[in-house]
Amino acid sequence: GIQVEQSPPDLILQEGANSTLRCNFSDSVNNLQWFHQNPWGQLINLFYIPSGTKQNGRLSATTVATERYSLLYISSSQTTDSGVYFCAVTGANNLFFGTGTRLTVIP
Amino acid sequence: DTEVTQTPKHLVMGMTNKKSLKCEQHMGHRAMYWYKQKAKKPPELMFVYSYEKLSINESVPSRFSPECPNSSLLNLHLHALQPEDSALYLCASSQTPQGTSGNTIYFGEGSWLTVV
Repeated sequence: GIQVEQSPPDLILQEGANSTLRCNFSDSVNNLQWFHQNPWGQLINLFYIPSGTKQNGRLSATTVATERYSLLYISSSQTTDSGVYFCAVTGANNLFFGTGTRLTVIP
Repeated sequence: DTEVTQTPKHLVMGMTNKKSLKCEQHMGHRAMYWYKQKAKKPPELMFVYSYEKLSINESVPSRFSPECPNSSLLNLHLHALQPEDSALYLCASSQTPQGTSGNTIYFGEGSWLTVV
């Protein structure tokens, strides 16, 4: 299967700080999605972004498919941003999840 | 409505019990999935149903038995589980199976399963 690596594995931020999360994948993909898993376990779609740049409020994402990476930017972080961020790519009718970045935002 | 509903949210069962997890979506999606997630790990695919037919079984032990009664419902029947099967079980759906473009996947809140 496709290998998906995320960095950093853990990140602690002060409220109000900005951050960049990275997702590297090993093969060309049709789709790339970013998810936030909240402390209660729910996976929430943030972006569907196979290429290009998208923005949604304080979050934005960029995927450079030719170089096989995607970045998730979080600006002015809030405590509610805490949780695990996963990128996931599609291949062979399966969704391959990355290793995740655990974000903790402290007040 | 982009909601996938899972019940129950929490389940504690003994190793000799038979129980079921249920999942429902009303988005008209024709692909539904079961994922298993252990603590501090990413979700792992268990089963995929495509147009109500089982299309992928990721070598899951037979003590897990999926069922898709109709296009909106997906069940996971549990029997003779082991303590190591304790995990978060996530249901998901998408318009068509993953692998086609423009196909966002939506997850339910999950069912926390503890096997004692």
